[in-house]
Amino acid sequence: AQTVTQSQPEMSVQEAETVTLSCTYDTSESNYYLFWYKQPPSRQMILVIRQEAYKQQNATENRFSVNFQKAAKSFSLKISDSQLGDTAMYFCAFMKHVSTINNNDMRFGAGTRLTVKP
Amino acid sequence: DAGVIQSPRHEVTEMGQEVTLRCKPISGHDYLFWYRQTMMRGLELLIYFNNNVPIDDSGMPEDRFSAKMPNASFSTLKIQPSEPRDSAVYFCASSPATGGRTEAFFGQGTRLTVV
Repeated sequence: AQTVTQSQPEMSVQEAETVTLSCTYDTSESNYYLFWYKQPPSRQMILVIRQEAYKQQNATENRFSVNFQKAAKSFSLKISDSQLGDTAMYFCAFMKHVSTINNNDMRFGAGTRLTVKP
Repeated sequence: DAGVIQSPRHEVTEMGQEVTLRCKPISGHDYLFWYRQTMMRGLELLIYFNNNVPIDDSGMPEDRFSAKMPNASFSTLKIQPSEPRDSAVYFCASSPATGGRTEAFFGQGTRLTVV
């Protein structure tokens, strides 16, 4: 079974600064997807960014970018120019590629609580 | 599309009562997941379906928990009898199998409190 580890239970950053959240995972699969989800106090799970394992280029979405190191099984999230609205729980998640028929569950890490300070 | 719809948003019930949580996935999505979120255990995958068929229910904590998906547009998670330790937020999520959008789309969750 796949496992996802987030070793930082809590982090804080000053507004406008940059912060990096860590995630490592364990799998024997070669083709899979990785995600970062954000959960604000409203508890809605919001997709921040996704990465396909077969793509070497790191995904970027505006102020959010990832550092995907496939050999090291590492998938960190960098938030640039942090904003107060970025305050939330952040979850790293792993999903096998859909070609893995009938075995396509999504597993989450324990989460990192990020606080952006004014 | 309205997204994944869960009902109720909040449920308070007495220990021993039956609780049924409901989910309507996004139309056309092949996968449906049920998760439980608690402070202690984080987001736990309880069960997931592919084309209405349960694929993996190894995360279901006990026989008191059961899930069904009678058709592509509806799923239920039932707890009978409920216990205080079942108090949590329960999320339903759906995912397409194709189309390059392999991600889970979540409902807003049901906060269950068992007293």
